[in-house]
Amino acid sequence: GESVGLHLPTLSVQEGDNSIINCAYSNSASDYFIWYKQESGKGPQFIIDIRSNMDKRQGQRVTVLLNKTVKHLSLQIAATQPGDSAVYFCAENGVGYSTLTFGKGTMLLVSP
Amino acid sequence: SQTIHQWPATLVQPVGSPLSLECTVEGTSNPNLYWYRQAAGRGLQLLFYSVGIGQISSEVPQNLSASRPQDRQFILSSKKLLLSDSGFYLCAWAITGDTQYFGPGTRLTVL
Repeated sequence: GESVGLHLPTLSVQEGDNSIINCAYSNSASDYFIWYKQESGKGPQFIIDIRSNMDKRQGQRVTVLLNKTVKHLSLQIAATQPGDSAVYFCAENGVGYSTLTFGKGTMLLVSP
Repeated sequence: SQTIHQWPATLVQPVGSPLSLECTVEGTSNPNLYWYRQAAGRGLQLLFYSVGIGQISSEVPQNLSASRPQDRQFILSSKKLLLSDSGFYLCAWAITGDTQYFGPGTRLTVL
């Protein structure tokens, strides 16, 4: 079936670097995409979203890029901090738009 | 603002015992509600979702069931727990077509 996948299971960066987490999706009909951050022992936390009529959306220190041509989604974190260490999930809206399909997750490790 | 609660936060249960996890949402009406399970170091598995009172969709046939007795209450149950039911259970709410917001989760250990 359709799925959302991630290229890198673990990403290690130095504090202050910019981080880029990637996600590939296969359902060309999806029109809504979300990035979540999950810290150990906690529920996923909404970071940023983007709809398919946009290519880029910016938040505080985060930017999401959507390339519909190659079905690719990325999350950029500027000036990464130790508090950014977590697992990051991408998600896309599924059939009927009542459910989301989640990627497997990428662990971001930030060294001081 | 909307808030979502789950309890208990942690639970240790013997194999064969019953289970009841509760999720409630405040600050919104007629939300979609979801139950997910997450194994250690793994992704999110959708178990059940509900678009209204009494309406339950099951994504994975298993030892669990869900009910929605009130608009903003979602319950996950089992009559007899299995070892494989251990995991981190997450409840979420959403308005159709919009972001899902997650609760703090319940850590279930079946011994």
